[in-house]
Amino acid sequence: DQQVKQNSPSLSVQEGRISILNCDYTNSMFDYFLWYKKYPAEGPTFLISISSIKDKNEDGRFTVFLNKSAKHLSLHIVPSQPGDSAVYFCAARPFDSGGSNYKLTFGKGTLLTVNP
Amino acid sequence: KAGVTQTPRYLIKTRGQQVTLSCSPISGHRSVSWYQQTPGQGLQFLFEYFSETQRNKGNFPGRFSGRQFSNSRSEMNVSTLELGDSALYLCASSFGSKLGSPLHFGNGTRLTVT
Repeated sequence: DQQVKQNSPSLSVQEGRISILNCDYTNSMFDYFLWYKKYPAEGPTFLISISSIKDKNEDGRFTVFLNKSAKHLSLHIVPSQPGDSAVYFCAARPFDSGGSNYKLTFGKGTLLTVNP
Repeated sequence: KAGVTQTPRYLIKTRGQQVTLSCSPISGHRSVSWYQQTPGQGLQFLFEYFSETQRNKGNFPGRFSGRQFSNSRSEMNVSTLELGDSALYLCASSFGSKLGSPLHFGNGTRLTVT
């Protein structure tokens, strides 16, 4: 049973346009959500996170939106750059993890390709 | 500041053997987590150690075990290797405090079981 789903395995956008990566979750106990970016042959790199008490968090070109009623979050990248081409993972952790970020549940990732 | 270091980067083993992977966390980080990444299953949580104690465990068989030393370095062991254990094993460290610091991942150990 996949508790975090990224239904689009890949996404292709033009440089300068907006990239929107989507993530759905089923576990209502999840209260903290993160996005990671992964280049080939490297480990995932933390991008941005959001707590369930918020519906939006912004960091430079990256914005994460959370819709708790729909159990849906999205990552917006504006403007997209070729260097953003990577696999993006959505991750979530439950309320009972005591505030630390262990036991993350990851989606299977979306490969973003930004074309020059 | 040095990042999370995992050794070795690549490993080839034969079915039935055992393997030990090593992880050195970022200085000051006391929590070390291990994840398995496969094409079909994505990233799956194995276990997490904090101050030399296993704090949580994922849904993996007992062939997968780990430990953490007093300097926060961690090792993961897989015994009686199976072909399905071929994967990228990622270690991640964090402060592990209740403030909820993000995980910082190493570049992983690519294990191939033949």
